[in-house]
Amino acid sequence: GAGVSQSPSNKVTEKGKDVELRCDPISGHTALYWYRQRLGQGLEFLIYFQGNSAPDKSGLPSDRFSAERTGESVSTLTIQRTQQEDSAVYLCASTLGADQPQHFGDGTRLSIL
Amino acid sequence: AQSVTQLGSHVSVSEGALVLLRCNYSSSVPPYLFWYVQYPNQGLQLLLKYTSAATLVKGINGFEAEFKKSETSFHLTKPSAHMSDAAEYFCAVSEAGGTSYGKLTFGQGTILTVHP
Repeated sequence: GAGVSQSPSNKVTEKGKDVELRCDPISGHTALYWYRQRLGQGLEFLIYFQGNSAPDKSGLPSDRFSAERTGESVSTLTIQRTQQEDSAVYLCASTLGADQPQHFGDGTRLSIL
Repeated sequence: AQSVTQLGSHVSVSEGALVLLRCNYSSSVPPYLFWYVQYPNQGLQLLLKYTSAATLVKGINGFEAEFKKSETSFHLTKPSAHMSDAAEYFCAVSEAGGTSYGKLTFGQGTILTVHP
């Protein structure tokens, strides 16, 4: 497809389980961002990948969160030992460059029971 | 450090009335500014952007915004609201350089309700 694709669209899991969220950016977009959107709040930056440079992880809330991206392709966000406060919509965005608008996927709605 | 403040978490207007959604920002360097719209269960869609060209920016769906450096504002307006404009709107800022280059900082969002 032409847009940013995220999977799964919804994920329900038990507290303590690990989850993996996937993002397929728009082809050719060198920059990729992950954001978290808690209910009724704005988006919080989590992590930023730019080409083969070291990622900017400054927004990750704890060491239970990690993300990977191979080259300029798919990225995965992993949350280990999930907690109820991890419940949120996780949004991925990609862009051609830092001065260009970010294109967002529809997000993964994560619910921790 | 940069921050964004959206005044009013909820705005309600009548169909055909003026829409005004307020956004103020702080940034230590010249910013890029964006307005995004989010419909239920969807990701964010870009309405318009300011990247240091014309201070009055026109976007999609009849929306526009004016960058006012002296007021550190980037308010979103539309002359005549339509029922389909009902959604949540986010103002965002990114720094045009430095270590935070490209990283968006979002406001808390404003939910726009349009009454018939």
